Amino acid sequence: DQQVKQNSPSLSVQEGRISILNCDYTNSMFDYFLWYKKYPAEGPTFLISISSIKDKNEDGRFTVFLNKSAKHLSLHIVPSQPGDSAVYFCAAARQNSGYSTLTFGKGTMLLVSP
Amino acid sequence: NAGVMQNPRHLVRRRGQEARLRCSPMKGHSHVYWYRQLPEEGLKFMVYLQKENIIDESGMPKERFSAEFPKEGPSILRIQQVVRGDSAAYFCASSPGGHQPQHFGDGTRLSIL
Repeated sequence: DQQVKQNSPSLSVQEGRISILNCDYTNSMFDYFLWYKKYPAEGPTFLISISSIKDKNEDGRFTVFLNKSAKHLSLHIVPSQPGDSAVYFCAAARQNSGYSTLTFGKGTMLLVSP
Repeated sequence: NAGVMQNPRHLVRRRGQEARLRCSPMKGHSHVYWYRQLPEEGLKFMVYLQKENIIDESGMPKERFSAEFPKEGPSILRIQQVVRGDSAAYFCASSPGGHQPQHFGDGTRLSIL
């Protein structure tokens, strides 16, 4: 039973354009969401997070949008750069329950071509 | 400014042997989490520890797996009598607690012959 789903295994984008990575969740108890970026043979690197009390959080080129009614979040990267090529994982937690372990999606591999 | 340190980076064991994976959290972090990633999968939660306490081990297999985070020293994930299906990347993360994101180490890649 996958509680966090990333339905696109891969995404190809040209340098300078926008990358949009999507994530859906089924557990309405999740109230904190994070995006991680992962290069091969390295651990996930934290990118950006959003609490369920917000619908948008922005940090430089990265913006996360949360639609609670649809149980959907997305990560926008603009402009995309070749160094952004990596696997992106969406993760969710139940922080307000004092429960901070993360439930991950399977990841989306982003390829940004020059 | 050391991040989360995991060692060894690669570990090869024969079936039936024991595997010990170590994790030193970031300075100032007292919460440690272990995750496992199988090929083509996302990371799956295994266990959450604070100093000397296991807070949540709901993701740990019932047999052969154990974890500890002693007062002094790194957190240890121990797998006894390893089997081929234990081959995976094992990641440790730490956080200072509260509403703070977890930061991950580079993982230990366990291969079972």
